Amino acid sequence: DAGVIQSPRHEVTEMGQEVTLRCKPISGHDYLFWYRQTMMRGLELLIYFNNNVPIDDSGMPEDRFSAKMPNASFSTLKIQPSEPRDSAVYFCASSPRRVNTEAFFGQGTRLTVV
Amino acid sequence: DQQVKQNSPSLSVQEGRISILNCDYTNSMFDYFLWYKKYPAEGPTFLISISSIKDKNEDGRFTVFLNKSAKHLSLHIVPSQPGDSAVYFCAASRGSQGNLIFGKGTKLSVKP
Repeated sequence: DAGVIQSPRHEVTEMGQEVTLRCKPISGHDYLFWYRQTMMRGLELLIYFNNNVPIDDSGMPEDRFSAKMPNASFSTLKIQPSEPRDSAVYFCASSPRRVNTEAFFGQGTRLTVV
Repeated sequence: DQQVKQNSPSLSVQEGRISILNCDYTNSMFDYFLWYKKYPAEGPTFLISISSIKDKNEDGRFTVFLNKSAKHLSLHIVPSQPGDSAVYFCAASRGSQGNLIFGKGTKLSVKP
């Protein structure tokens, strides 16, 4: 398996534009997590899914952020409209079970909003 | 307010010596602790964990120590190797299935 695949690897966009980040989890993993890494706050959990259903979205910062998982092999994190303070590295991770030691992270998407 | 704190943003160590990375937490409900390693342009990878019922866990060159009374844990790497140069994140959770709360990371540089 190629691991967790995220796209794009880098995204530069203008303030106010819509941004969509994509994630393909490892096949057979029932859990999918979205994290955000910033200098100020470190790594934070935004939302996680179990069997394509959102379970905990308490980390989603604002209504401008939304995440979907239409099927077991694909998830998106959308920011609309984007703001400069959204600039960060966004990681997707997947896990076969709800056990933290078994989560595998993707390489991340570095988002820059100018 | 940061519940998991890594107060040293960076650490430089000579190859072959011991690296000690520190982490403090404030939430007494945390009972499961993990260390992740992250290379540039890659995602974090799980390194080692410890449950609060233990005070030490060892895996090869890596040992994690937990001091519950002080709400402190540390990661020891002995001997340090240049390939250990990375950012190390401390994380805590309530149980092995709880949401992970990460520290901001410590960048370790191991000099040949």
